[in-house]
Amino acid sequence: DAGVIQSPRHEVTEMGQEVTLRCKPISGHDYLFWYRQTMMRGLELLIYFNNNVPIDDSGMPEDRFSAKMPNASFSTLKIQPSEPRDSAVYFCASSLTRGRSNSPLHFGNGTRLTVT
Amino acid sequence: GENVEQHPSTLSVQEGDSAVIKCTYSDSASNYFPWYKQELGKRPQLIIDIRSNVGEKKDQRIAVTLNKTAKHFSLHITETQPEDSAVYFCAASIQGFNKFYFGSGTKLNVKP
Repeated sequence: DAGVIQSPRHEVTEMGQEVTLRCKPISGHDYLFWYRQTMMRGLELLIYFNNNVPIDDSGMPEDRFSAKMPNASFSTLKIQPSEPRDSAVYFCASSLTRGRSNSPLHFGNGTRLTVT
Repeated sequence: GENVEQHPSTLSVQEGDSAVIKCTYSDSASNYFPWYKQELGKRPQLIIDIRSNVGEKKDQRIAVTLNKTAKHFSLHITETQPEDSAVYFCAASIQGFNKFYFGSGTKLNVKP
């Protein structure tokens, strides 16, 4: 299993540009999460999906952020327009529920976003 | 919602000593508690987890304890080694919701 795959690993863009981050969860996993990590705020949950349906997007900071999961093997997080304060590492994670038991998150390697 | 607090924020120990990191949670419905280790520039990786029907779990030099009454859980690392140096995160989740609430992290430095 290749694990959770994110692309790109690094993204440098100018303020105002559109940024799209991509994630391929582990095959068979039914939950997908997008987290943002900064020194100041730690790991913040932005949004998560269950079976491709968004369950909770209360962590999405502003309307500039949007996320989609068109199928079980692909998700995108888009920022439009980007701002310098969006600079962070963005992690995608997936998990597999077994009955009603929660199971651990498996994180991708992250995308380091720098907005200048 | 759930609130997870983690202490200390930094911890420095001598190689071979033990390290203890503590977390508290607020929602008594939380029943699954994983711990993650994140090395510099890398992704968080699960190192151990515990469910609410168990009070303690061990895996070699790592152990986790859970006190449901007091709503706190701890990570214990014995015989620390320099490669244990990393940031450690605790988390809590409520059964059936699969939404994880993370602590703020503990930076562990093991001095050789």
